[in-house]
Amino acid sequence: DGGITQSPKYLFRKEGQNVTLSCEQNLNHDAMYWYRQDPGQGLRLIYYSQIVNDFQKGDIAEGYSVSREKKESFPLTVTSAQKNPTAFYLCASSIVKGSYGYTFGSGTRLTVV
Amino acid sequence: DAKTTQPTSMDCAEGRAANLPCNHSTISGNEYVYWYRQIHSQGPQYIIHGLKNNETNEMASLIITEDRKSSTLILPHATLRDTAVYYCIDADAFRANNLFFGTGTRLTVIP
Repeated sequence: DGGITQSPKYLFRKEGQNVTLSCEQNLNHDAMYWYRQDPGQGLRLIYYSQIVNDFQKGDIAEGYSVSREKKESFPLTVTSAQKNPTAFYLCASSIVKGSYGYTFGSGTRLTVV
Repeated sequence: DAKTTQPTSMDCAEGRAANLPCNHSTISGNEYVYWYRQIHSQGPQYIIHGLKNNETNEMASLIITEDRKSSTLILPHATLRDTAVYYCIDADAFRANNLFFGTGTRLTVIP
């Protein structure tokens, strides 16, 4: 079945370390997105990409970096510059134009201690 | 800032219809109404979307008012597994990066 996979589901890191969250999709979607969700809050857009080798900053890109070397993959790196990295991170994908909406992964819960 | 307004929370008895309202008074002509839901600690799940006609699928029905300024998501026979946060979003389907997820409505289905 087609879908979007995030790994790992839970991740623990020490403060000051960079960490990379994986996101893979086999839906043949051109666009991919990274969101952050804090407890009781909505989703905030970190980065998005509409095509391979191109990506744009979202509303809260500071302290994060991404790459889009393959259509299927959109990894997110949480750097030591991110002041409050502990959060629930969600990856999504979609076709670029069309009304079909987004498909989300199951999320990665990152805890920095 | 959110372009839609939803109640913070609602309760519904198991087996009854759950009617979730949404106001989107600033919706433009080319924007669709999307509904997603998020069960605790999972990614949001697409439910349904519509432009101006009412829509129905295996999960829910979407009723959009004639002036398109509001809509109602209907879960015809709510089950305990429908307990989730429901997001109403208006977005241009032909632009990427256009879904804004606010805080939604927390629906609790009561046994």
